[in-house]
Amino acid sequence: DAKTTQPNSMESNEEEPVHLPCNHSTISGTDYIHWYRQLPSQGPEYVIHGLTSNVNNRMASLAIAEDRKSSTLILHRATLRDAAVYYCILRDRDYGGSQGNLIFGKGTKLSVKP
Amino acid sequence: SQTIHQWPATLVQPVGSPLSLECTVEGTSNPNLYWYRQAAGRGLQLLFYSVGIGQISSEVPQNLSASRPQDRQFILSSKKLLLSDSGFYLCASNIAGGQFFGPGTRLTVL
Repeated sequence: DAKTTQPNSMESNEEEPVHLPCNHSTISGTDYIHWYRQLPSQGPEYVIHGLTSNVNNRMASLAIAEDRKSSTLILHRATLRDAAVYYCILRDRDYGGSQGNLIFGKGTKLSVKP
Repeated sequence: SQTIHQWPATLVQPVGSPLSLECTVEGTSNPNLYWYRQAAGRGLQLLFYSVGIGQISSEVPQNLSASRPQDRQFILSSKKLLLSDSGFYLCASNIAGGQFFGPGTRLTVL
């Protein structure tokens, strides 16, 4: 899987938007961009994923650069419960077996201040 | 919707003792199943994955083993635990577009 680069940590104020960046300059044409988050002492939780177009769901938005070499996870209004480690992961469209595995890096630790 | 059960939630074991962690999945059939480990302060490391009953692939050679006796049951085992086996063990299954993780088992080897 291609590698991703994320800042180690970010801080945000409660109820303000948060933009979490991810660089993936070696992304291939069949790689989906996935975001997961992990709250303290819990397993990772799927947040959102996309291929080329920007994506929105109830949790977040994903903005993908036109050249797909970077993306940004957008939390529109951060809450204290959004404090977690956010992982940006590239995953080949083949979901089966090892090729579909997620390779977690160190992610970005998001702190939210009240 | 899919649910993953893992037990026990926490476990403290002495070095050299055996280990058996169980994962069961509900709400899906014939899933791909995965065992991950997260050591303190580190990212997740894939240990094993399975695409079907009796089919196990190991990603990292070590003193752990996995078995899949039933379609929705995945077991992680060890005959003799090492101190380095301490960590947070997570079971996951594939879902459309990604993976769904269980609540995890926190293992401390003393």
